[in-house]
Amino acid sequence: DTGVSQNPRHKITKRGQNVTFRCDPISEHNRLYWYRQTLGQGPEFLTYFQNEAQLEKSRLLSDRFSAERPKGSFSTLEIQRTEQGDSAMYLCASSPGTGDFYNEQFFGPGTRLTVL
Amino acid sequence: DQQVKQNSPSLSVQEGRISILNCDYTNSMFDYFLWYKKYPAEGPTFLISISSIKDKNEDGRFTVFLNKSAKHLSLHIVPSQPGDSAVYFCAALWSSGTYKYIFGTGTRLKVLA
Repeated sequence: DTGVSQNPRHKITKRGQNVTFRCDPISEHNRLYWYRQTLGQGPEFLTYFQNEAQLEKSRLLSDRFSAERPKGSFSTLEIQRTEQGDSAMYLCASSPGTGDFYNEQFFGPGTRLTVL
Repeated sequence: DQQVKQNSPSLSVQEGRISILNCDYTNSMFDYFLWYKKYPAEGPTFLISISSIKDKNEDGRFTVFLNKSAKHLSLHIVPSQPGDSAVYFCAALWSSGTYKYIFGTGTRLKVLA
């Protein structure tokens, strides 16, 4: 297990289309986070899971966004009816949640979304 | 309301010298702080962290200092190397609360050879 992985790395889509991103966290990490990052900004919290439970969603996450972590392992983030303002880097991160370093958080490489 | 602030968008330092990156926060409930380094087109890479029960944590060339009364933390890199050139983000966490990490806007460090 080499770290958090995300697929696809890049996605170009037309406005109005639906897209889905996948995140595979570090195995045995209980917490999984989704962030959005735009140019010149830090990662912006979208939502997070403790195992399979989605514990918090940002007010930024409109009804067009939905995330799942069905078995407490990988997670998907779906954006329906994409808009040009959705263009950003979508980052996934995981955190152990237990143990000596339970608050450390590790990021994947991100999925770059471009909405035309 | 920006709860975590990095007021210096950029910093240039000569190779071999010390780099000091600063971060201020407003929420006194934050009790865990992290620093990340980010290269273009990559996800942030974890560097070092500190719990609010400490005022200093050191890992090789990287040291983080926490001043709780001032709600201020800093990352020191000694000696700075050209490979350290990247964007650095600080992040804060309220570990007894929402477990939501709040990030600053980043400081771009350029280490000059």
